[in-house]
Amino acid sequence: AQTVTQSQPEMSVQEAETVTLSCTYDTSENNYYLFWYKQPPSRQMILVIRQEAYKQQNATENRFSVNFQKAAKSFSLKISDSQLGDTAMYFCAFMKIRNQFYFGTGTSLTVIP
Amino acid sequence: DGGITQSPKYLFRKEGQNVTLSCEQNLNHDAMYWYRQDPGQGLRLIYYSQIVNDFQKGDIAEGYSVSREKKESFPLTVTSAQKNPTAFYLCASSTPKEQYFGPGTRLTVT
Repeated sequence: AQTVTQSQPEMSVQEAETVTLSCTYDTSENNYYLFWYKQPPSRQMILVIRQEAYKQQNATENRFSVNFQKAAKSFSLKISDSQLGDTAMYFCAFMKIRNQFYFGTGTSLTVIP
Repeated sequence: DGGITQSPKYLFRKEGQNVTLSCEQNLNHDAMYWYRQDPGQGLRLIYYSQIVNDFQKGDIAEGYSVSREKKESFPLTVTSAQKNPTAFYLCASSTPKEQYFGPGTRLTVT
């Protein structure tokens, strides 16, 4: 079975600082996708970043980047220059072939002014 | 604009009543999903459908039912057999590379 673990239920960071959210997953698949989704107070799920397992290069999207360690099954999200609008729940997700998704329990991030 | 719509945003029902949550997408996606979200538990899969007229149970299907008669629509019925129906429900559709979410429906049963 696939599982996704987020070991940090809550985190906080000062505005303009950098924060890293952790995620580990367990799978026997070799080809899959990993995602970080953001859920702000509006509760709309927003895709932050996607990583394809067959790509060794870590994905980046502006202030967001990942550290993908395939052998360790680790997929952490780094947010640089944190902004107040980054305050949200962040979910790590795993997708294997045939569109089956698995989500972690989330990390609640608060950016402090 | 392409996207997923869920209606209504807030729904209130009396205990013992069945209620149907709407989910419509115009993204031309084959796969659609229903998730339940409770505090501290992330997203739990209720049902998913890979194609019209076919669907599979997820991890917490008991007390729920779905249909997939059209590609665009994947309604979820919360039956009176669901013991704790009060929750936030998210509908999603996906390509092979990404999942897209609707805005959600908050269901309160009293």
